[in-house]
Amino acid sequence: GAVVSQHPSWVICKSGTSVKIECRSLDFQATTMFWYRQFPKQSLMLMATSNEGSKATYEQGVEKDKFLINHASLTLSTLTVTSAHPEDSSFYICSAASGLMNTEAFFGQGTRLTVV
Amino acid sequence: SQQGEEDPQALSIQEGENATMNCSYKTSINNLQWYRQNSGRGLVHLILIRSNEREKHSGRLRVTLDTSKKSSSLLITASRAADTASYFCATVLSGGYNKLIFGAGTRLAVHP
Repeated sequence: GAVVSQHPSWVICKSGTSVKIECRSLDFQATTMFWYRQFPKQSLMLMATSNEGSKATYEQGVEKDKFLINHASLTLSTLTVTSAHPEDSSFYICSAASGLMNTEAFFGQGTRLTVV
Repeated sequence: SQQGEEDPQALSIQEGENATMNCSYKTSINNLQWYRQNSGRGLVHLILIRSNEREKHSGRLRVTLDTSKKSSSLLITASRAADTASYFCATVLSGGYNKLIFGAGTRLAVHP
């Protein structure tokens, strides 16, 4: 399957600072990228959907000013957690797809964010 | 909100046994996909089944879809310890909604 690279795999930051997570599709052009958040032993909660060159669509309850998403090219999307707080600590996973109607999404390995 | 619910939440079996996981969803779908997640890792796609399909096979995996009941099942036959993971169903809603919504997941433990 296609490869999606997500960096960093883990990060520890201080409260009040911002953290950027990158998601790259290495061998295909992803028309859409998705960002999920996952708490321990729970499922993936969709945060936002982004299409290359346009603004991200955020799910209800997700603060767009808190979680900034940029999808600058067909192979790169970034999630920036701004002014991070301990409650933002979580596992963040990106995925990339070139059309969900006929094919699967490909997932990065996730980023473990710890805010201290 | 989550589209699907899965049961059981956790399943513990011995190697060689079959494992069946069920998934229910609430609204019309374009397709339903099953994914596997090893602890603390990303997801791996297993099978995609379209709304006009009733059953698909891939190796030791068998997926069924009943759109009238809005449910799907994943059967893993002759399980192995390496099958230990969390399994999630995810739906792509009909109507052109280009997003993948995950169910709650089943944690499978296969004991040697």
